[in-house]
Formats: sequence, C-alpha cells, structure tokens
Amino acid sequence: SQTIHQWPATLVQPVGSPLSLECTVEGTSNPNLYWYRQAAGRGLQLLFYSVGIGQISSEVPQNLSASRPQDRQFILSSKKLLLSDSGFYLCAWSARWTGVDNQPQHFGDGTRLSIL
Amino acid sequence: AQSVSQHNHHVILSEAASLELGCNYSYGGTVNLFWYVQYPGQHLQLLLKYFSGDPLVKGIKGFEAEFIKSKFSFNLRKPSVQWSDTAEYFCAVNPANTGGFKTIFGAGTRLFVKA
Repeated sequence: SQTIHQWPATLVQPVGSPLSLECTVEGTSNPNLYWYRQAAGRGLQLLFYSVGIGQISSEVPQNLSASRPQDRQFILSSKKLLLSDSGFYLCAWSARWTGVDNQPQHFGDGTRLSIL
Repeated sequence: AQSVSQHNHHVILSEAASLELGCNYSYGGTVNLFWYVQYPGQHLQLLLKYFSGDPLVKGIKGFEAEFIKSKFSFNLRKPSVQWSDTAEYFCAVNPANTGGFKTIFGAGTRLFVKA
C-alpha cells in the first residue's frame, strides 16, 4: 500500500535561518506531489505542485521554494525564514492523471513550523 | 477566481442527531468534488468524492453527499452522528479533467459530537 512520510513533525526556527522540510512517498510511482499550508479557519492553501522530477509549479509568491530531486521525494525550503512563514505545512500526493477523472489527494501528517 | 465556501465553521451536535454540512463553490465549468476529514491527531483523509453520474455519492462511515449542479452545492450528510465523528471536515473542488493539480479547499467545519 502507499504511504507518505513527512518530517519533522514540529520545528522551531529563528528568523533568518534556513528551512528544509522533507516528504517521501512509498508504494507508488510517478505521483503528483503537493505542498500546502494549513491555517486555522482558512483551509488549505496550495503552495507548490510537481508532476515529475525537477518540475515545480508555484501557486503563490512567497519566501519558500520547492524541489523534487527524486521521483518520490519533495522538499520545501527557504534560505531565510520570516515570522510570517510560521504555520502548519502539509505534503500530499495523488496518482498520475490518466486523462480522465482527477485523483484525490493523500496527505502526510504535517509539520508544525514556529518561527521565533 | 474559484472559491469554496463552507457555511458553518463550528457545529455541535448530540449523538444520534442528523448532520448536514454545507458546501458551495464558484466555478462555471465541470468540477470534481471531494470531502476530506481530519480526526483529532490524524492526517487529512478522503471521505468521499464525486466525479460524474449519480449526484448522490456515498462515502465511508455512513456519510453521503449530494451534488446539486444548479445550486453549485455539495453538502455532506449523515443521518445519525456518533461521538467518533468529531473531526474537522473540508470540502474541496477542482476543475474536471485537468489533472487535479489546483484543488481549492474550503475553510473547514469543526464538528463536535457530544456523547
């Protein structure tokens, strides 16, 4: 069966420090991968998605970047964190689109990021 | 711009009460619709989905949702809730046949079921 791993679960970082959150998927090939930020009372905001290695689409301008160095690995990064980067970050995957129905997404457990 | 509106942010029910959570979306074309649920301490997971066909779809744990195209709605229902249904529920929409990359989520509804 497919599984998604996201780490760390919680992270406390000072302002101006770098960030690297990692997400890996097992049990499937060529998944679509996503990074979301979840804010209380505001739902999920799509930050990035990827349809393949090295292919990243950014949805909102921000202080963060994403990379996909391997098929089932998705990394969220920042060179210098801002206070406003605090939040709950979710990684998700969905099956590769076959041209018919859009596939549902499967979510990781999330990372609670606090910037001090 | 596409958007998803969930009418109630917080709902409190007693066990055995009936549940209906509202969801409306704004998009002029064909859509795929989803309800996701997040139980306390767990990850977000799919509850049910609608792609096409019968507008009444059934999901896990006795939940169902009805797609009413003319009302741009996809309300979630359950005839009799249980304490274990306490969770946060998210409605989500994406344009059909586009790969599903740009899914729009509602703000969520927190349901608390009193035992």
